[in-house]
Amino acid sequence: DIQMTQSPPVLSASVGDRVTLSCKASQNINKNLDWYQQKHGEAPKLLIYYTNNLQTGIPSRFSGSGSGTDYTLTISSLQPEDVATYYCYQYNSGPTFGAGTKLELK
Amino acid sequence: QVKLLQSGAALVKPGASVKMSCKASGYTFTDYWVSWVKQSHGKSLEWIGEIYPNSGATNFNEKFKGKATLTVDKSTSTAYMELSRLTSEDSAIYYCTRANYGGYWMDAWGQGASVTVSS
Repeated sequence: DIQMTQSPPVLSASVGDRVTLSCKASQNINKNLDWYQQKHGEAPKLLIYYTNNLQTGIPSRFSGSGSGTDYTLTISSLQPEDVATYYCYQYNSGPTFGAGTKLELK
Repeated sequence: QVKLLQSGAALVKPGASVKMSCKASGYTFTDYWVSWVKQSHGKSLEWIGEIYPNSGATNFNEKFKGKATLTVDKSTSTAYMELSRLTSEDSAIYYCTRANYGGYWMDAWGQGASVTVSS
């Protein structure tokens, strides 16, 4: 199985901050990676697909990048409604999710 | 708009089976795969498997082979997942999603169905 390691596990940031979440795969996943946002008590929501494509309806402050084994989700200016857990997800081989990064307000 | 409406919570005994449903609306059911995802309490997510309603073709995470059975009823645009030989490890929230082949691009999710395995 491909292991997905997300860091940090918990991130505290202030409104307006630029926030970067990392995801590292145990092997090359050829950009076959999506990012999901899960707010407390809700189902996950697709934010970014195939590494850097913004899903329809998602604010442009969210962006994704990466290649090979290393991927990043960036929020350019953190908003209160962005408090959530963020999961990376690879579907290159035997789909697997990362353990998540919990984003909190400072 | 695209909606996936899942069946309600279930309390089941160890060793029993449970079958849950996922009714799709707002899109052509046979044009997309349906993936299922497990979320154990307070934990991360696991992709269980997928089914293509048009043909009934399925693919599974190795971990869930023999545990999960996926079916569809095209006439009602409903997907089903049955979990067998339940143990406490199967207690979780289960989501159905609209997706592309291979679990890619899960762009719509059901509200989740809670399964509790307890005697």
